[in-house]
Amino acid sequence: EVKVVESGGDSVRPGQSLRLSCEVSGFTVRDYTMHWVRQVVGKGPEWVSRIHAGGEATDYADSVKGRFTLSRDNAKNSLYLQMNNLRPEDTALYYCARDFDWKNALWGQGTLVTVSA
Amino acid sequence: QSALTQPPSATGSLGQSVHISCTGTSSDVGYENYVSWFQQHPGKAPRVLIYEVYKRPSGVPDRFSASRSGNTAYLTVSGLQAEDEAHYYCSSNTDKKTYLFGSGTQVTIL
Repeated sequence: EVKVVESGGDSVRPGQSLRLSCEVSGFTVRDYTMHWVRQVVGKGPEWVSRIHAGGEATDYADSVKGRFTLSRDNAKNSLYLQMNNLRPEDTALYYCARDFDWKNALWGQGTLVTVSA
Repeated sequence: QSALTQPPSATGSLGQSVHISCTGTSSDVGYENYVSWFQQHPGKAPRVLIYEVYKRPSGVPDRFSASRSGNTAYLTVSGLQAEDEAHYYCSSNTDKKTYLFGSGTQVTIL
């Protein structure tokens, strides 16, 4: 079965760190551009980051640049989003997605991150 | 960067059509051909309806069509069905190697 499954979401205090994981099955993660997209309940989605197919190049939204780091482990066929210095405005459901805006897009069901004092 | 601008709501009767706009700038919607449209039902992940401005993935009914004029993209849902009641979002890549989503449009079926 072709799928992506996110994990690692939790409730943390401002300034703390969290690492989200995205485990894929049915395809090879390095062959596709993979993205993280987040969505606050009741609001529209917000693109967070991507790692390009085949290489290690990454891009980030201005709102997370310098705090979040996206990486890929080809041996584990997985993707990781390291989130440091978390802020209340980072509270959202975080989706991992393969080619999120394309014809073969594949989204997970998301993992919830809550940042609150 | 601000979200792309969409009308908050659109309403139509069964069998009718609704039209949704998505307004950006020459740095995003009008930049390249990477404009997409998504449908999202409550509690579900977004689903791609349109990619590269007007193309439909397999499995998406041809009731969904899209176009672009300048810095504004458009989605038309024809022959409205009950299951079309959902939130609709546009997205676009930008000249800063990022992506923007639209503010979202709630489609209600009368």
